[in-house]
Amino acid sequence: TAGITQAPTSQILAAGRSMTLRCTQDMRHNAMYWYRQDLGLGLRLIHYSNTAGTTGKGEVPDGYSVSRANTDDFPLTLASAVPSQTSVYFCASSVSGDNTGELFFGEGSRLTVL
Amino acid sequence: GQNIDQPTEMTATEGAIVQINCTYQTSGFNGLFWYQQHAGEAPTFLSYNVLDGLEEKGRFSSFLSRSKGYSYLLLKELQMKDSASYLCAVSSNDYKLSFGAGTTVTVRA
Repeated sequence: TAGITQAPTSQILAAGRSMTLRCTQDMRHNAMYWYRQDLGLGLRLIHYSNTAGTTGKGEVPDGYSVSRANTDDFPLTLASAVPSQTSVYFCASSVSGDNTGELFFGEGSRLTVL
Repeated sequence: GQNIDQPTEMTATEGAIVQINCTYQTSGFNGLFWYQQHAGEAPTFLSYNVLDGLEEKGRFSSFLSRSKGYSYLLLKELQMKDSASYLCAVSSNDYKLSFGAGTTVTVRA
């Protein structure tokens, strides 16, 4: 069972360049999320989507954008990368968006911005 | 918003018991989660508590006291494979989920 697939696994990016992290789920979950994980800070929510066609801002949305054109895909775009966006990015999904159910995480995308 | 505190690191011996505490302050409460994350891997779900008391799942148990804003994760009969980070996460009344910074548990032989 694939669950959640993220790509790329890792990437080195020059500052000022754009980048899209891809996320696909095959569980037909309604809600999807993007988190970043930094040492000592834990997981912080960037953007979320409770259902296809809707998105919302999380705790640290600046510099990132998302779209949810269908149930399965939830790409995260960095329009103009900056070094502070160096992090490990996790995509996650859950059955509903009420945060009372288990989150299923992808394997993560390690991004380094130089 | 939420404030979630858990110890940064803990070390224990194989076969022993370790208790990881998590305290939280939140605007409303809608449940508390524990996740396990091995180094370089994705977090995986361990438990969800929404009512007070102890929930047991094999070697792992999770406890919640809503009045004290307190939870703990109890790992019994520690095995080397239990070496990982353990993340406490709280869901608030506005259905936002916030994670603590995580507790890294090292199990020594």
